[in-house]
Amino acid sequence: DTGVSQDPRHKITKRGQNVTFRCDPISEHNRLYWYRQTLGQGPEFLTYFQNEAQLEKSRLLSDRFSAERPKGSFSTLEIQRTEQGDSAMYLCASHKELNTEAFFGQGTRLTVV
Amino acid sequence: GENVEQHPSTLSVQEGDSAVIKCTYSDSASNYFPWYKQELGKGPQLIIDIRSNVGEKKDQRIAVTLNKTAKHFSLHITETQPEDSAVYFCAANPGGYQKVTFGTGTKLQVIP
Repeated sequence: DTGVSQDPRHKITKRGQNVTFRCDPISEHNRLYWYRQTLGQGPEFLTYFQNEAQLEKSRLLSDRFSAERPKGSFSTLEIQRTEQGDSAMYLCASHKELNTEAFFGQGTRLTVV
Repeated sequence: GENVEQHPSTLSVQEGDSAVIKCTYSDSASNYFPWYKQELGKGPQLIIDIRSNVGEKKDQRIAVTLNKTAKHFSLHITETQPEDSAVYFCAANPGGYQKVTFGTGTKLQVIP
């Protein structure tokens, strides 16, 4: 499978716990995005990377959220001290060059109970 | 930053009829406009895109039009089929190092 891969597909966690998601982009895609999507809404931008550099982070993202892409390949998104409002689908996307098609993963559905 | 508005939020059509979804954007620097289809439980998938140097693009039953002056673009699906039922998102990309901004989505239901 050469598409964008996300792990896990589903995560249920208790409020206050930390969670970490992983995204493996398509090989050689230098741009990687994280989005959050709640039911009935479009993907909401969280952050994106050009290779290993984090170029932009949404102002909506609290300090509890952090993302890394240490070697310019896979990326992780960590949420600390989860809250019920963090329940959503977390999507990862990648693309190779500017203004080209972005490929999305299947997403990680987070449920905070 | 870029702001994208999308209408309608829901759309029901009879099988065989056409469906039109409209989007407006705010940043005149945006020069790439993709459309995505999202089926239940899956990530969005690109169905068609258009660049700012083109006014219209067609791919079988799907077409997209772009009016740069008015800053709006539209998705047209002709001869709709039940498998077209999904949520459709428009997006705008100002280019450079700026992010892609999505609309809020249109839930299309094709009634057999």
